[in-house]
Amino acid sequence: AQKITQTQPGMFVQEKEAVTLDCTYDTSDPSYGLFWYKQPSSGEMIFLIYQGSYDQQNATEGRYSLNFQKARKSANLVISASQLGDSAMYFCAMRGPYNTDKLIFGTGTRLQVFP
Amino acid sequence: KAGVTQTPRYLIKTRGQQVTLSCSPISGHRSVSWYQQTPGQGLQFLFEYFSETQRNKGNFPGRFSGRQFSNSRSEMNVSTLELGDSALYLCASSQAGTAGNTIYFGEGSWLTVV
Repeated sequence: AQKITQTQPGMFVQEKEAVTLDCTYDTSDPSYGLFWYKQPSSGEMIFLIYQGSYDQQNATEGRYSLNFQKARKSANLVISASQLGDSAMYFCAMRGPYNTDKLIFGTGTRLQVFP
Repeated sequence: KAGVTQTPRYLIKTRGQQVTLSCSPISGHRSVSWYQQTPGQGLQFLFEYFSETQRNKGNFPGRFSGRQFSNSRSEMNVSTLELGDSALYLCASSQAGTAGNTIYFGEGSWLTVV
């Protein structure tokens, strides 16, 4: 069975600093996809970044990058130059193989950025 | 390009009533999925539709149902509401529901059952 683990319930970071949010996953399927989403208090789930299991390079999207270590089954999100608006819940999620949009989510990490 | 649109955003229902939530996917997206988010259970997959067919279903009672129309818009229905159904219901869409497709979410519908 697939599983996503986020071990950091909360993280603090100072504005303009970088922060790493941890995510480990478990799956026996060779083909899978990993997502990171940001959820502000409004509830909307905002897509940040995606990494496919066969992608050779680590994914990057602006200030977001994914540190994908396949052998360790980890997919940590790195946010560079944190901004106050980055304060939110962050969820790591995995999509399995085959044709499906079913996502398995972790429990999330609440990030708070302070001035 | 408009994102995933969910209506209504907020609603309050009484125990025993039923509710219908609506989701309009991003234009061109054919796959729609639904999730329930509660503080206790986190984010849980409800069901997924592609080309009007349910492709996947989560572990929820039969009171939870959904459908997808020919224009890819989707609705989910919860009958005989219980207090525990109070949650944020999120809809997501992707182009084809296949590996590599990015999955985008809407703003969610906040349901309170009293």
